[in-house]
Amino acid sequence: GQNIDQPTEMTATEGAIVQINCTYQTSGFNGLFWYQQHAGEAPTFLSYNVLDGLEEKGRFSSFLSRSKGYSYLLLKELQMKDSASYLCAPMDSNYQLIWGAGTKLIIKP
Amino acid sequence: GAVVSQHPSRVICKSGTSVKIECRSLDFQATTMFWYRQFPKQSLMLMATSNEGSKATYEQGVEKDKFLINHASLTLSTLTVTSAHPEDSSFYICSARNSGLDYNEQFFGPGTRLTVL
Repeated sequence: GQNIDQPTEMTATEGAIVQINCTYQTSGFNGLFWYQQHAGEAPTFLSYNVLDGLEEKGRFSSFLSRSKGYSYLLLKELQMKDSASYLCAPMDSNYQLIWGAGTKLIIKP
Repeated sequence: GAVVSQHPSRVICKSGTSVKIECRSLDFQATTMFWYRQFPKQSLMLMATSNEGSKATYEQGVEKDKFLINHASLTLSTLTVTSAHPEDSSFYICSARNSGLDYNEQFFGPGTRLTVL
């Protein structure tokens, strides 16, 4: 079956760095997306990885290891507005995104 | 960037009525759109995949006669919740795949919060 595993909740301090891990199992693989979702809002795109390695985009970076079925999202210089849920979504062989429940990130001053 | 709109953003209706939700890709063509439902503190659940000019593909457990999907053009898909009941109250989100991109990013609309009394 298809499966996503992320921590349910994480807490970090403003200005710090946090890494959100994701392991996945899918039928085929066509890349992995990370989305941010604030409460009551739709998800917004953060990053896309299709090859192994690190993709950096400003304060956010995303890493992928296809052989391990593993990805992480790294958030630097945390701000209060980064409090949200972070969704790891691999794309399967049918180009469908597979969604888990996401990781709720709480930022404390 | 690619923008997807949804209308209405919020709707309250009486049990037994039908509600139509529109999803539009504003600056790109989308041969494929997706309809999701999300209950509080739960993950996005794919309801159906909407393909322009053809019938939608429904996920297991989603009643196609209750959730009518029409994708009549490359920029518009509609979801009609027929004979809505309180258990249909949820956050409905559409997304659209940009046909012109090399990779298959889905751009999400802002969502529609449906409350059935």
